[in-house]
Amino acid sequence: DAMVIQNPRYQVTQFGKPVTLSCSQTLNHNVMYWYQQKSSQAPKLLFHYYDKDFNNEADTPDNFQSRRPNTSFCFLDIRSPGLGDAAMYLCATSRDFILEGFFGPGTRLTVL
Amino acid sequence: AQTVTQSQPEMSVQEAETVTLSCTYDTSESDYYLFWYKQPPSRQMILVIRQEAYKQQNATENRFSVNFQKAAKSFSLKISDSQLGDAAMYFCAYRSIGGNQFYFGTGTSLTVIP
Repeated sequence: DAMVIQNPRYQVTQFGKPVTLSCSQTLNHNVMYWYQQKSSQAPKLLFHYYDKDFNNEADTPDNFQSRRPNTSFCFLDIRSPGLGDAAMYLCATSRDFILEGFFGPGTRLTVL
Repeated sequence: AQTVTQSQPEMSVQEAETVTLSCTYDTSESDYYLFWYKQPPSRQMILVIRQEAYKQQNATENRFSVNFQKAAKSFSLKISDSQLGDAAMYFCAYRSIGGNQFYFGTGTSLTVIP
């Protein structure tokens, strides 16, 4: 089945220790998104790739970076995680900007 | 930016009964998409139903239907014959035509009581 996969599902890191979250998709969608979702809050868009073009939201901290080496994979790098970065990170894909997005199961990040 | 408001943080419904989740949004655009997503505990967000704003007819997917009131900027979700598997967080979302992101509400946690 075509799907969006995120690894790991749970990630624990220490304050200030870099961490990378991964997302892969078999849908061949050209747009990939990273959302941050804190407890009891709406998902918040961090950035997205339209093909190879990277688009950063204005209020996304510099601490967050992303890489998309090919159509199928996208990575979220948090260079120096703070306690406030503990959240669920959702990857999503879509074909262009039409209709609905397909979401992965998320990675829950804990910062100690 | 568009805003989406879900005024019911939590709702509960008896199994087999009907429940309606509310959503309002603010936009100056005339055409757009609206969605309801379901996020079960520890599971991925999946699309429940979508509505194109230019369509006057309310969308329906099996037990799920919407009441889309464009003038009032209201988009409620009705779940009929509620089942235990319907228990989840439900998010209302807005997307512009050609827009690069979804604007989500804060969600409604639905509990289904056996």
